[in-house]
Amino acid sequence: AQSVAQPEDQVNVAEGNPLTVKCTYSVSGNPYLFWYVQYPNRGLQFLLKYITGDNLVKGSYGFEAEFNKSQTSFHLKKPSALVSDSALYFCAVSSGANNLFFGTGTRLTVIP
Amino acid sequence: DAGVTQSPTHLIKTRGQQVTLRCSPKSGHDTVSWYQQALGQGPQFIFQYYEEEERQRGNFPDRFSGHQFPNYSSELNVNALLLGDSALYLCASSLLGEGRLNTQYFGPGTRLTVL
Repeated sequence: AQSVAQPEDQVNVAEGNPLTVKCTYSVSGNPYLFWYVQYPNRGLQFLLKYITGDNLVKGSYGFEAEFNKSQTSFHLKKPSALVSDSALYFCAVSSGANNLFFGTGTRLTVIP
Repeated sequence: DAGVTQSPTHLIKTRGQQVTLRCSPKSGHDTVSWYQQALGQGPQFIFQYYEEEERQRGNFPDRFSGHQFPNYSSELNVNALLLGDSALYLCASSLLGEGRLNTQYFGPGTRLTVL
């Protein structure tokens, strides 16, 4: 069975400050982890993924995520938040079966 | 490079009716997956098509069916609509040849409202 937890429904951060959106997962076997972002009335946009290798993954728009196997976490980070980063962020996991299991999402608001 | 496209954008149906949603994958992709995103929830996997066959299926009833055409485009059909089927339906495409676990790229979705 697979599961993803995004413990924070809402994250607020001031523009220019670092941001973190948390994600923990449970999966049988090796995890394949993804972050997607969703803007209002839009589909999901791919940000980054972890398959294997370096635990720090760099993605689009300056985002990065760190895979921590012992803590089963894959937190999304950005050193300096922009107002345009305000959106709904989804963490997803796969056991390799080529379908994604999503968390319930975290709404990020960057305050000017 | 054309991304994933879906039609229609919005759709309103009544209970008991049937609906067909359409998806064209990103250029060069051969696999299409469908997801249902209810309000305030994350997307849930419905099924995936590759080589015109359903390869995987999530926990959805048989009222949900699909098809993939030789040009890799896909349809999602839902019969006997229920109020609970109201959701954003997302199509995602990927290239199976990249490896077993590959990035899925999503379309803008079809918003289905069942009255």
